[in-house]
Amino acid sequence: EDQVTQSPEALRLQEGESSSLNCSYTVSGLRGLFWYRQDPGKGPEFLFTLYSAGEEKEKERLKATLTKKESFLHITAPKPEDSATYLCAVQGDLTAGNTPLVFGKGTRLSVIA
Amino acid sequence: NAGVTQTPKFRILKIGQSMTLQCTQDMNHNYMYWYRQDPGMGLKLIYYSVGAGITDKGEVPNGYNVSRSTTEDFPLRLELAAPSQTSVYFCASSYPKEKLFFGSGTQLSVL
Repeated sequence: EDQVTQSPEALRLQEGESSSLNCSYTVSGLRGLFWYRQDPGKGPEFLFTLYSAGEEKEKERLKATLTKKESFLHITAPKPEDSATYLCAVQGDLTAGNTPLVFGKGTRLSVIA
Repeated sequence: NAGVTQTPKFRILKIGQSMTLQCTQDMNHNYMYWYRQDPGMGLKLIYYSVGAGITDKGEVPNGYNVSRSTTEDFPLRLELAAPSQTSVYFCASSYPKEKLFFGSGTQLSVL
């Protein structure tokens, strides 16, 4: 069974204080690891897809990396507008019986000015 | 540029009532999904569809039904609503193996 574990559950940072969010996963036949951002009362918004170990992607203050067992979302010099819940999800091989996109419980990030 | 549209946004049901949550997308995506999100529990897949006429169960399908008669629409039916179905429901769509686009959600309370 595919599993995704995110840590920490909640993180409070001062503006400009860089940190990382962790996503550990187990899946048979990884087809993609996805990061989403979710603001209160809204649907998740896509950030990144990573397909293979060693891959990295960046967008503004965010950088996502992938190994064979985990992914990190690095946040550099965060601003209050980065406050949100960050969700990690994995897609396994559907032909091997995996269900589409299994999500972790998320990390709730608060950035204080 | 509508994307994924869900209706209604809010609904209160009494125990035992039935209702349909509507979802439509205008991106010609093959895949569509229904998730529920409970506080602190992440998103759980209820049902998904890989194309018109094809549906399959996700992790938490009990108490729900779906149909996919067209590419655009993927309604979720709740029969005999129970308090355990109080949740926020999200519909999403995608091309195969690509990112999901989510709707804005339906907040459902069963009392």
